Amino acid sequence: EADIYQTPRYLVIGTGKKITLECSQTMGHDKMYWYQQDPGMELHLIHYSYGVNSTEKGDLSSESTVSRIRTEHFPLTLESARPSHTSQYLCASSEGDRVGEKLFFGSGTQLSVL
Amino acid sequence: AQSVSQHNHHVILSEAASLELGCNYSYGGTVNLFWYVQYPGQHLQLLLKYFSGDPLVKGIKGFEAEFIKSKFSFNLRKPSVQWSDTAEYFCAVNARNTGNQFYFGTGTSLTVIP
Repeated sequence: EADIYQTPRYLVIGTGKKITLECSQTMGHDKMYWYQQDPGMELHLIHYSYGVNSTEKGDLSSESTVSRIRTEHFPLTLESARPSHTSQYLCASSEGDRVGEKLFFGSGTQLSVL
Repeated sequence: AQSVSQHNHHVILSEAASLELGCNYSYGGTVNLFWYVQYPGQHLQLLLKYFSGDPLVKGIKGFEAEFIKSKFSFNLRKPSVQWSDTAEYFCAVNARNTGNQFYFGTGTSLTVIP
């Protein structure tokens, strides 16, 4: 059902590297989100977007940045990765403010920073 | 602080046993409530949702959940679990007074033993 794609699926990199996690959706959804998920913890919202040229920080402080130049694309960038960034990153989208809207999730990117 | 609480972190059941997973939230005002499931190696997907009407909602694969407003609860139930129900289950709240953002519980890991 989900037409939301994340790449890469797994990424292992060294400290100090710049990385971009890709997220694309083909459903034309206005709202997109990035969540961080650690084992045994709730999903934490780190960034979201209401549409093109809109980006907001979520509840969890993050050193990452995002951009929304096109509706379908919402990449997340870490300028200088650190071991504390090791986590699973989930991208999601939703249609907008309709009652009962649901989130569509990508498969996630498991990031390990050595 | 506003939150979503899932009381059971790990549940192990035998096939055909009944399941109930607790979820309580602390957001006021109008809320939409969701249960998401993540099967091993797969992305998060919607199990069921409540936004108005009958407080007993039915989802896929025989799951149901009951919204009890007075208790701020939205517990997930299934009368008879199967091995294929082994997964991680997340309760989520979408609250109007928090900008329509989605807030997730810490998840419950369910293992069903054949």
